[in-house]
Amino acid sequence: GQNIDQPTEMTATEGAIVQINCTYQTSGFNGLFWYQQHAGEAPTFLSYNVLDGLEEKGRFSSFLSRSKGYSYLLLKELQMKDSASYLCAVRDNTNAGKSTFGDGTTLTVKP
Amino acid sequence: NAGVMQNPRHLVRRRGQEARLRCSPMKGHSHVYWYRQLPEEGLKFMVYLQKENIIDESGMPKERFSAEFPKEGPSILRIQQVVRGDSAAYFCASSPRGNSEKLFFGSGTQLSVL
Repeated sequence: GQNIDQPTEMTATEGAIVQINCTYQTSGFNGLFWYQQHAGEAPTFLSYNVLDGLEEKGRFSSFLSRSKGYSYLLLKELQMKDSASYLCAVRDNTNAGKSTFGDGTTLTVKP
Repeated sequence: NAGVMQNPRHLVRRRGQEARLRCSPMKGHSHVYWYRQLPEEGLKFMVYLQKENIIDESGMPKERFSAEFPKEGPSILRIQQVVRGDSAAYFCASSPRGNSEKLFFGSGTQLSVL
């Protein structure tokens, strides 16, 4: 099985940098994903890590350490529209390859 | 290229009725996943299907819930004899293969049981 932990809520200021952590325990690892979800909307893909290290994509970066079961999502130059829930998901290495999601971190960006 | 289409967007049912939720994956995608989301919670995996096959239904309740993905037509999540606890947002996602780099989600169906 899989167990995924991330903070429930975070608050940050417009223009600042925020780091959202995710720790996981899994019996078989085959990739970690970050999704963004605005209230009442579908989750949208942000990033994918399968090897250790940092993946950068514009204002968003994601880091993975497989040995520590740890990832973080880094958001730079925060904008008001970044207020959303950020979901960490881990895919298992079975043939099904389903993704298990954490409960999400609700980020509130204040002016 | 249309995205993942789910309908209806909102569905209201009385206790004991049946709910049918539809999901048409993106063009070229043959893998469909259903997730349930309660308010203030994350997505909970329910079932993973390929065309005409259920690959993993480990997240499906043992009773009243069923899913299919026929050769032709959308994937259907069916809930019989709904209860208030079934009220949730149900999201469908699709991918072109089982170990894709990402899932594409539909806008979800909000089920409300009165």
